[in-house]
Amino acid sequence: EAGVAQSPRYKIIEKRQSVAFWCNPISGHATLYWYQQILGQGPKLLIQFQNNGVVDDSQLPKDRFSAERLKGVDSTLKIQPAKLEDSAVYLCASSLAGGRRDTQYFGPGTRLTVL
Amino acid sequence: DAKTTQPTSMDCAEGRAANLPCNHSTISGNEYVYWYRQIHSQGPQYIIHGLKNNETNEMASLIITEDRKSSTLILPHATLRDTAVYYCIVSPLKAGNMLTFGGGTRLMVKP
Repeated sequence: EAGVAQSPRYKIIEKRQSVAFWCNPISGHATLYWYQQILGQGPKLLIQFQNNGVVDDSQLPKDRFSAERLKGVDSTLKIQPAKLEDSAVYLCASSLAGGRRDTQYFGPGTRLTVL
Repeated sequence: DAKTTQPTSMDCAEGRAANLPCNHSTISGNEYVYWYRQIHSQGPQYIIHGLKNNETNEMASLIITEDRKSSTLILPHATLRDTAVYYCIVSPLKAGNMLTFGGGTRLMVKP
């Protein structure tokens, strides 16, 4: 079974530029998550989708971050404009239905460096 | 939401059992304990989870104390490939399975 796919794997931009990340979850998984992982810390949830609806985006900095999952499959996460503190690995995960006992499967992440 | 406390780092000799402790003294009755690990430059990987009974799968065993205030993840025969950061997570009471990661334990398996 194919895992969670993410692209690009690495991105280097200058501050105030825009950037977008793409995620393709495991086929049939209704729930999709975006996490931010700053170096030396555990991942922090940014947003959770159930199909194409948002379940939780309480930790998403909405002034500069946006995410969408228009057809309930692929998702994109955008940062506009980027700040130095946005340098991190952005992880996408998916799970079957988002229930308490569901396992989350993570992609390899996109490493963003903001200069 | 219940918080977890884990040692920052641990060492283990290759071939020996690795026992990773986790304290979750404020856990509520219906909160699950999850373990994930993250190998360098990869996304986190699910290991095991439990509610109150001990659990075992092909990767590890999870021992939860009777009062549920602590648990131990056991890797029975650690290999060099088990070197990773191990996260103990207590699932929140609210709907869904949002995971709140702490700092985890950095396990170094040495030859």
